[in-house]
Amino acid sequence: KNEVEQSPQNLTAQEGEFITINCSYSVGISALHWLQQHPGGGIVSLFMLSSGKKKHGRLIATINIQEKHSSLHITASHPRDSAVYICAARNYGGATNKLIFGTGTLLAVQP
Amino acid sequence: EPEVTQTPSHQVTQMGQEVILRCVPISNHLYFYWYRQILGQKVEFLVSFYNNEISEKSEIFDDQFSVERPDGSNFTLKIRSTKLEDSAMYFCASNAVGGGLSYNEQFFGPGTRLTVL
Repeated sequence: KNEVEQSPQNLTAQEGEFITINCSYSVGISALHWLQQHPGGGIVSLFMLSSGKKKHGRLIATINIQEKHSSLHITASHPRDSAVYICAARNYGGATNKLIFGTGTLLAVQP
Repeated sequence: EPEVTQTPSHQVTQMGQEVILRCVPISNHLYFYWYRQILGQKVEFLVSFYNNEISEKSEIFDDQFSVERPDGSNFTLKIRSTKLEDSAMYFCASNAVGGGLSYNEQFFGPGTRLTVL
């Protein structure tokens, strides 16, 4: 069983739609990361959160520690949002900050 | 804005050859990581490095792999005798502060695509 699960695996949306990507984890965490990976392969950190909610532009990330669940929302989606979105958990109590990655959600936003 | 850099961006090698992947972490960061992503699969942790020694490694990180911080800026991953299954994108990452309840963000390099023929 994967320690970090994401859904959906693939998502196609029309420009302007509200998008939600979900992440569930089974390990104790000190933080949950949302990352974006573009077709060229590079990884960009979007959010790091341990409780509540964070917002940056059209992106919103929430986390429910009790339910071990996090969501990434994109409002007013745009074709340039097309990418793979990955959640990654930082294991609580670990010796390091190593991240445990989900399998990613491939998002395609059509004009 | 400071960033993690990696060289080369793409490395092609013959099976059995040694390769060294190079990373320059952000200058005031103390923790360094290597991750890999086989095509079509999720990103996997390989190794973390702090205070000039390995602090944690995964099952993937066997005796064929080694890491080194040869000077004050570079962080390298060496694969001694490459196998076909080593073909992957290798990401370096760094962060300023360590484990437990520290919430410091991890910054990723652009990756090195390793192709083993």
